[in-house]
Amino acid sequence: QVTLKESGPALVKPTQTLTLTCTLSGFSLSTSGMRVSWIRQPPGKALEWLARIDWDDEKFYRTSLKTRLTISKDTSRNQVVLTMTNMDPVDTATYYCARTPYDSSGVYPFDIWGQGTMVTVSS
Amino acid sequence: DIQMTQSPSSLSASVGDRVTITCRASQYISSYLNWYQQKPGKAPKVLIYGASSLQTGVPSRFSGSGSGTDFTLTISSLQPEDFATYSCQQTYSSPVTFGQGTKVEIK
Repeated sequence: QVTLKESGPALVKPTQTLTLTCTLSGFSLSTSGMRVSWIRQPPGKALEWLARIDWDDEKFYRTSLKTRLTISKDTSRNQVVLTMTNMDPVDTATYYCARTPYDSSGVYPFDIWGQGTMVTVSS
Repeated sequence: DIQMTQSPSSLSASVGDRVTITCRASQYISSYLNWYQQKPGKAPKVLIYGASSLQTGVPSRFSGSGSGTDFTLTISSLQPEDFATYSCQQTYSSPVTFGQGTKVEIK
């Protein structure tokens, strides 16, 4: 069964660094064409893509957050890690990881999502 | 970034109704358009990809159409389990972007 599961702190203080881990099961990020992204959703608001890492270790970031984000993978542990520095209350959101397998059509939908983890930024 | 605008933001409908949701892109995106369903407290689930292809396991009452900048998600006969929020997403250019969502509520 293919699953992704996010883990990390539920509460962080302003200016702190957030570290989130996405643990993959039933598939490997080393599979050719595989991609894993992080997406967040503030309460009652739209989904917002943050970052992506590909099977070949290529990385992509949301331009407006690029200076604050780092995405990495640990293939041996089948995990993807996202760090976000200088957290602010506006970063309060549910954070999801989701996978995109190789898609010959080039459309690349997020076909499997994790359950999400809610992160609150407050002092 | 490409802006995705959905209409309406919410709608009330009855079981058995035909429901149509529209998504408009701020620029040309060919058919690089996906639709997701999200229930409260749950992750999104892909329904339609490539504007009109039904994801495996999704009931055939869901359908998608459109290309270019204007797209439609149709539920032919609304079922109780379809009350949820629906979001469109473009994957034509980076960053991928989502619409603000359309909440389908019980009338």
